[in-house]
Amino acid sequence: KAGVTQTPRYLIKTRGQQVTLSCSPISGHRSVSWYQQTPGQGLQFLFEYFSETQRNKGNFPGRFSGRQFSNSRSEMNVSTLELGDSALYLCASSWTGFTDTGELFFGEGSRLTVL
Amino acid sequence: QKEVEQNSGPLSVPEGAIASLNCTYSDRGSQSFFWYRQYSGKSPELIMSIYSNGDKEDGRFTAQLNKASQYVSLLIRDSQPSDSATYLCAVKGTGGGNKLTFGTGTQLKVEL
Repeated sequence: KAGVTQTPRYLIKTRGQQVTLSCSPISGHRSVSWYQQTPGQGLQFLFEYFSETQRNKGNFPGRFSGRQFSNSRSEMNVSTLELGDSALYLCASSWTGFTDTGELFFGEGSRLTVL
Repeated sequence: QKEVEQNSGPLSVPEGAIASLNCTYSDRGSQSFFWYRQYSGKSPELIMSIYSNGDKEDGRFTAQLNKASQYVSLLIRDSQPSDSATYLCAVKGTGGGNKLTFGTGTQLKVEL
């Protein structure tokens, strides 16, 4: 069974640009969450999507947005990039049956560097 | 006060010893608790989940939960050098969905 796939793995952007990251969850997983990981702040929750709807959102500015498609694949977008957006962006999927277990399975991440 | 607190370490233990990792959380209504292991340069990997008070054992790993004290711990028996990693404590709050709040992690070093 394939794991969570994130693309691209590495990218370099300059301030003011925008970026789109993609995530394909484990087959059968309908919940997709995004986290930002930095050395200083650790893992910070961005948002969660389930059945194409955002059902949880973290404390990030509106420059951070996401969406989920009918096949559960998800994208996140960061507009007007700032130096502080340099981080590892992790996508995680979760199987959601009768209840939300909270058990997340992470992809390898997309490492974004903003110059 | 941080929502999920862990000692950043590093915690150094000799090979074969028991490593004890601790975590406290602030949301008294939290119901689900997790331990993730993250090797350097890799993504977090779920190793244990615990939902009720007491101990839960899985191989060399034991998770312990005390909701009254808002305390979660992870014991690693017979520690191996391959256990050297950062261990992240995560808590699922009272809201719906799969939103987890993570601690900043404890770095474990198992020495030969």
